[in-house]
Amino acid sequence: GAVVSQHPSRVICKSGTSVKIECRSLDFQATTMFWYRQFPKQSLMLMATSNEGSKATYEQGVEKDKFLINHASLTLSTLTVTSAHPEDSSFYICSAWAGTGLSYEQYFGPGTRLTVT
Amino acid sequence: AQSVSQHNHHVILSEAASLELGCNYSYGGTVNLFWYVQYPGQHLQLLLKYFSGDPLVKGIKGFEAEFIKSKFSFNLRKPSVQWSDTAEYFCAVMYSGGGADGLTFGKGTHLIIQP
Repeated sequence: GAVVSQHPSRVICKSGTSVKIECRSLDFQATTMFWYRQFPKQSLMLMATSNEGSKATYEQGVEKDKFLINHASLTLSTLTVTSAHPEDSSFYICSAWAGTGLSYEQYFGPGTRLTVT
Repeated sequence: AQSVSQHNHHVILSEAASLELGCNYSYGGTVNLFWYVQYPGQHLQLLLKYFSGDPLVKGIKGFEAEFIKSKFSFNLRKPSVQWSDTAEYFCAVMYSGGGADGLTFGKGTHLIIQP
């Protein structure tokens, strides 16, 4: 099946610094990638939709200047958390959609645990 | 706002018991429906999906779900659970008129199967 990887799996950073998280589709080209955030014991919340070669579309309430998304190729999207604060600590998960036919299945990465100290 | 409700946040069953997890969504338009499972320490894995056609869909690991449009529901079922089914289960909906959109997830159900 389709595989999506994320790097790093865990990251600890100091408040005020920036952190980049990579999402890669390993065996398919992803027309669209999505970024989700999952708080402890809660559900996934969609943050933004990223289409290759165009600007990301952010969900209401998500600061686009804080969560920078770049989808530079059909296999890579990056999420940069700028000037991180402890409240940004969370589990960030990406998913990728191959964009073929009517198969709307999204393939999820393993997630990145961000801890801001 | 669009929303997905999962009625049971924690479910504890014994092995071989039957399972039904409820899921309701709020939107009356075109939807695509999914159930995902997240085993401890692992990433989300698709159990099954509904796009159109037969409202009773069968997925992996013996799971099935029934889409009832009139009730805005997509309940997950399994006739006989196993200890290995212990996991977090998420219902998700994609509201769209075409193309892929982000998913709206329910809060999840933590299922524990006792041997």
